[in-house]
Formats: sequence, structure tokens, C-alpha cells
Amino acid sequence: DAKTTQPNSMESNEEEPVHLPCNHSTISGTDYIHWYRQLPSQGPEYVIHGLTSNVNNRMASLAIAEDRKSSTLILHRATLRDAAVYYCILNLDSNYQLIWGAGTKLIIKP
Amino acid sequence: NAGVTQTPKFRILKIGQSMTLQCAQDMNHNYMYWYRQDPGMGLKLIYYSVGAGITDKGEVPNGYNVSRSTTEDFPLRLELAAPSQTSVYFCASSYTGARYEKLFFGSGTQLSVL
Repeated sequence: DAKTTQPNSMESNEEEPVHLPCNHSTISGTDYIHWYRQLPSQGPEYVIHGLTSNVNNRMASLAIAEDRKSSTLILHRATLRDAAVYYCILNLDSNYQLIWGAGTKLIIKP
Repeated sequence: NAGVTQTPKFRILKIGQSMTLQCAQDMNHNYMYWYRQDPGMGLKLIYYSVGAGITDKGEVPNGYNVSRSTTEDFPLRLELAAPSQTSVYFCASSYTGARYEKLFFGSGTQLSVL
């Protein structure tokens, strides 16, 4: 079965880059990799997604390993507002199914 | 735009009671989804809809029912509530349902069944 594995929590200092890793060794060739984040008591919020190539948007960058078995979400300059649980998700090629892991709680220290 | 709106935000039910969780979106999205999130876990798909009048089961549909009479609304019905249904419920929507498309989520309904 497809699954993603992330560290339970990570800490970073404010205004420093953050690299959030995700392992998805069971990924198939057509599965998309999505990242969402969830602030306390809120619904998940889209961050970024990719298939094979690295991706950049205004929120973050996504680096995908050449074999696609892992990926890294990069926040270039973390702020206190980036403190959230970050989920690495596989969007499978069937039934609108998103495979969610338990996520990484990102703690930002001032 | 309001986006995806869920009501109520909190609810406590007794075992065996029924209720409907409301979800509405104003983005003219064709696809809508219901998820549940248990403490410390990721989301699991309950039901989804690809358009008005069309619904299908997700990963964990038992104990729930849905209907989609309009593009905007996608209510989730809990019949005979059980403690195992204590969870946070999220409604989401997307325009085409494509796997590269992002989902828009509501703020959730926290349900406790006692």
C-alpha cells in the first residue's frame, strides 16, 4: 500500500530556511506529491505539488529525488506564521484518493 | 468569496442520535469531498461527489450518507451516531478533480459522540 513517512516534529529558528523531508518509497510513476499545511483549529491549506521536477511557488519549493522515493519541502525563510503541521501526501491514480501521513509539526523559535 | 463553509463548528451527540453536517462552496467547483481526521492522524476520505446527483464512497464510508442536489451543497448525514465517529470532519472542493489540482478545505466540524 502507498504511504508517506515524515518526522513527527522539527524545530527551526525564525528567518532561517527549513527543510521538511518525506519518504514515499512505494510511489508509482503517475502519483503526484502534494504538500498541505494545517494551522491549529483550521482546515488544511495547499502549499505545493509536483510529479517529477522540482517546483517553486510563492510559499515554498519542492525538491523531488530523481527516483521519486523521497521529497523535501523547503521554506526559504521561516516566520512564526509558518508554525503548523505539514503533510506530505500522495495523490494516487485512482478514486480521488489522497494518502495522508501523520505529518510533521514544525516549531519556529523566535 | 467565502470559499468552503462548514456548519456547525462544534457538536456533541449522544449515542444513537443523528445529525447532518452542512458544507457549501461558492467557487462553482464540480468536485466535493468529505474527510475525517482523528487525533494526531492524517485525513481519510469518507465520500466524494463529481457533480450534482453523483456521489461515491471513499475509504471509510460506513455509518455515513451523502447527497448532492446542487453544485454548491454537499451535506454529510450521520445515522445512529457511535463513539467511533468522534472526529473532526472536513469538507473540501476542487474544480476538475484532476490529481494535480489543489483542494480547498473548510474550517472543520468537531464532533463528539458520548
